[in-house]
Amino acid sequence: ETGVTQSPTHLIKTRGQQVTLRCSSQSGHNTVSWYQQALGQGPQFIFQYYREEENGRGNFPPRFSGLQFPNYSSELNVNALELDDSALYLCASSEGDRARETQYFGPGTRLLVL
Amino acid sequence: AQKVTQAQTEISVVEKEDVTLDCVYETRDTTYYLFWYKQPPSGELVFLIRRNSFDEQNEISGRYSWNFQKSTSSFNFTITASQVVDSAVYFCALSEARLTGGGNKLTFGTGTQLKVEL
Repeated sequence: ETGVTQSPTHLIKTRGQQVTLRCSSQSGHNTVSWYQQALGQGPQFIFQYYREEENGRGNFPPRFSGLQFPNYSSELNVNALELDDSALYLCASSEGDRARETQYFGPGTRLLVL
Repeated sequence: AQKVTQAQTEISVVEKEDVTLDCVYETRDTTYYLFWYKQPPSGELVFLIRRNSFDEQNEISGRYSWNFQKSTSSFNFTITASQVVDSAVYFCALSEARLTGGGNKLTFGTGTQLKVEL
């Protein structure tokens, strides 16, 4: 158990809808990263939040957005859902945003877009 | 750009066999970190090991061992006397030292599915 929790565990949406996924960090961690994992692929970096500020972004369109709260929990919002957004969404927390920091992952949210 | 290659898509072994999972990486950074994660069917990525680019000592933890060779840009993972519980997808990942504006991210390989059968 990493202490990183995510909700919901599963979600089904239709194309064009909006979705919000939630993540609670491990105690003492101020950095949250979000990853998208398509079936049969490795996780792809979406973005990272460090002390409530976006701290880096991967190759994802602006309809993927996020927030980090003062307690360091985080949300991932996806607008105008597309079929290709169907994936496992993983969040990871770490003690800081340096390269040496180990990222500890939550169980993920499985999103299906119909 | 950073890249991680796990050429083995799937490996099947019989219990008690030794198995090695290969990982080759590319980076321009002189300081970087390499990781291995295990992903069981439940989906959660379980951290196994972190290694920095300045430490080329091999590491052993129980049945697990890791061979880091900077000269060949490889960070291979060996499971000795495999067990059915080792069945999972294993990912190798590389940590980028700096993104624009700060921060770090993990660049993952495509994973190796390990199946251990009785």
